[in-house]
Amino acid sequence: DAGVIQSPRHEVTEMGQEVTLRCKPISGHDYLFWYRQTMMRGLELLIYFNNNVPIDDSGMPEDRFSAKMPNASFSTLKIQPSEPRDSAVYFCASSRGTLPDTQYFGPGTRLTVL
Amino acid sequence: QKEVEQNSGPLSVPEGAIASLNCTYSDRGSQSFFWYRQYSGKSPELIMFIYSNGDKEDGRFTAQLNKASQYVSLLIRDSQPSDSATYLCADGGADGLTFGKGTHLIIQP
Repeated sequence: DAGVIQSPRHEVTEMGQEVTLRCKPISGHDYLFWYRQTMMRGLELLIYFNNNVPIDDSGMPEDRFSAKMPNASFSTLKIQPSEPRDSAVYFCASSRGTLPDTQYFGPGTRLTVL
Repeated sequence: QKEVEQNSGPLSVPEGAIASLNCTYSDRGSQSFFWYRQYSGKSPELIMFIYSNGDKEDGRFTAQLNKASQYVSLLIRDSQPSDSATYLCADGGADGLTFGKGTHLIIQP
């Protein structure tokens, strides 16, 4: 299996621009998670899906952030408009079932907002 | 809101010695805990999880859980330079994983 795939791996954009991050989970995994990692706040859960349905988005920082999962093999995290404080590494992870099933992380997208 | 606390380090350990990593958690009702390893510039990868009081061993790694003290630890025996990484402790609840900020471990050859 190819593992969790994320694109792009690096994104540099200017404040106010729209940013779209993409994720393809491992085939057969029913759960998909979006995390953000910064030095200050560590690794934080933003939102997770079960069978393409958003279950908990309480970690989404504000309305500028939105996430979708139109099918079992694709999810997006969108930031509009982006701000410099959104600069972070964004990870997507997937798991077959709920905890303690292992969450497998993608390589991450390093976002820099100038 | 749940919190997981870890000493950020760096924790420096000589090669071949035992590395001891510690973590405390705030939610007394938490049942399961996870240790992830993250190399610089890479994604986290699961080492092991524990949900019963006591010890759980997997190769050179031993996880320890003390629910009364709300304390989790990870021991790495016969430490190798390849163990140098950041180790993340996570509390696994119904709302997903809550991570500590991690401990940076350095194994000195």
